[in-house]
Amino acid sequence: AQSVTQLDSQVPVFEEAPVELRCNYSSSVSVYLFWYVQYPNQGLQLLLKYLSGSTLVKGINGFEAEFNKSQTSFHLRKPSVHISDTAEYFCAVVRGSYIPTFGRGTSLIVHP
Amino acid sequence: DTEVTQTPKHLVMGMTNKKSLKCEQHMGHRAMYWYKQKAKKPPELMFVYSYEKLSINESVPSRFSPECPNSSLLNLHLHALQPEDSALYLCASSQDTSASYNEQFFGPGTRLTVL
Repeated sequence: AQSVTQLDSQVPVFEEAPVELRCNYSSSVSVYLFWYVQYPNQGLQLLLKYLSGSTLVKGINGFEAEFNKSQTSFHLRKPSVHISDTAEYFCAVVRGSYIPTFGRGTSLIVHP
Repeated sequence: DTEVTQTPKHLVMGMTNKKSLKCEQHMGHRAMYWYKQKAKKPPELMFVYSYEKLSINESVPSRFSPECPNSSLLNLHLHALQPEDSALYLCASSQDTSASYNEQFFGPGTRLTVL
């Protein structure tokens, strides 16, 4: 079985500061990796995904993530956050089937 | 059109009521999903429809009854719900279920409160 660990339940940060949201997965075989964002009272929106190829993936809203196979990680980063980035972020892994396994989520709180 | 729409946005119902949630997509997707999401938790898969046929039921109580009238529409019929069923119900769709890398497109959800 695959699992996804988002180590931080909450990440507070000041506006314009950089941020990293951590995601680790457990799987001995190839996986597909996704980051979704959920703004308050909304559904999930895909930020970015890693399927194959370059390990640095760029997504929407200035976010990027790096796939690290040796460390089984797929951390999400943004060099300078905005108030509007305040949201819940979910890392998801798909292996074998088409059903994603979601991490527990990380709440990003951006302070002015 | 890359949108999944859900109605209603909010729903309050008593434990004896019967109500339905609706989901629609016009992306030509052949897989549709219902998820339940509690506050500050990840979505939990309930049902999957593939080519209008139910392919996965994650041991959901029978008081939840899904229906897929055609490839664009997905309903969730609710009857005799319990207060613990209060949650955000998310609909999603994907191109199909043949590939692991197909991303899911989510609707905005229906916020359900059971009194």
